[in-house]
Amino acid sequence: QQQVKQSPQSLIVQKGGISIINCAYENTAFDYFPWYQQFPGKGPALLIAIRPDVSEKKEGRFTISFNKSAKQFSLHIMDSQPGDSATYFCAASNIDAGKSTFGDGTTLTVKP
Amino acid sequence: EAQVTQNPRYLITVTGKKLTVTCSQNMNHEYMSWYRQDPGLGLRQIYYSMNVEVTDKGDVPEGYKVSRKEKRNFPLILESPSPNQTSLYFCASSLSLGDSLRGSYNEQFFGPGTRLTVL
Repeated sequence: QQQVKQSPQSLIVQKGGISIINCAYENTAFDYFPWYQQFPGKGPALLIAIRPDVSEKKEGRFTISFNKSAKQFSLHIMDSQPGDSATYFCAASNIDAGKSTFGDGTTLTVKP
Repeated sequence: EAQVTQNPRYLITVTGKKLTVTCSQNMNHEYMSWYRQDPGLGLRQIYYSMNVEVTDKGDVPEGYKVSRKEKRNFPLILESPSPNQTSLYFCASSLSLGDSLRGSYNEQFFGPGTRLTVL
């Protein structure tokens, strides 16, 4: 049973464009939703995270939009740059239980 | 330098030969976790530990064991590896996963990964 579904699997965007990655979850016990960024040959690193009582969180060019009723959340990368080319994972965490469930990942390519 | 280290970084082994992948962190973190990463399947949690002597199963624990005898180390043990355990393994640590009462999340710091091939 896949608890966090992520789409698309891959995404190609022109420099300066907007990249949008979507995730949906099933388990209402999740209480935090982070996004991780992974460059080739490296471990993932936290990009931005949101809790379910907030509908939007913005950090620089990165914004998470969260829809609790639909159990969906998305990452928007504004003014996408070639340096943003990486794999992005959404995740859902049950903090008290210590469990984290990740999506399948989206490989983003930003063309110059 | 604050970091999570894993050893070995690369390992090729044969079916049934017991192996241990070590993980160590120098940040005095209470929470540690193991993940495997497979193409198209993302990161899947194998085991996690919220503190010394406290471990629990993640989503894919079959075929793996862990121990947390001291805070800094969290080894992953494959008693009888099989080819379906060929994967890229990541260890991660954080102060704690977060505080649900305060609505806060703590970043998980990931190690560099261990690429395991079981023939």
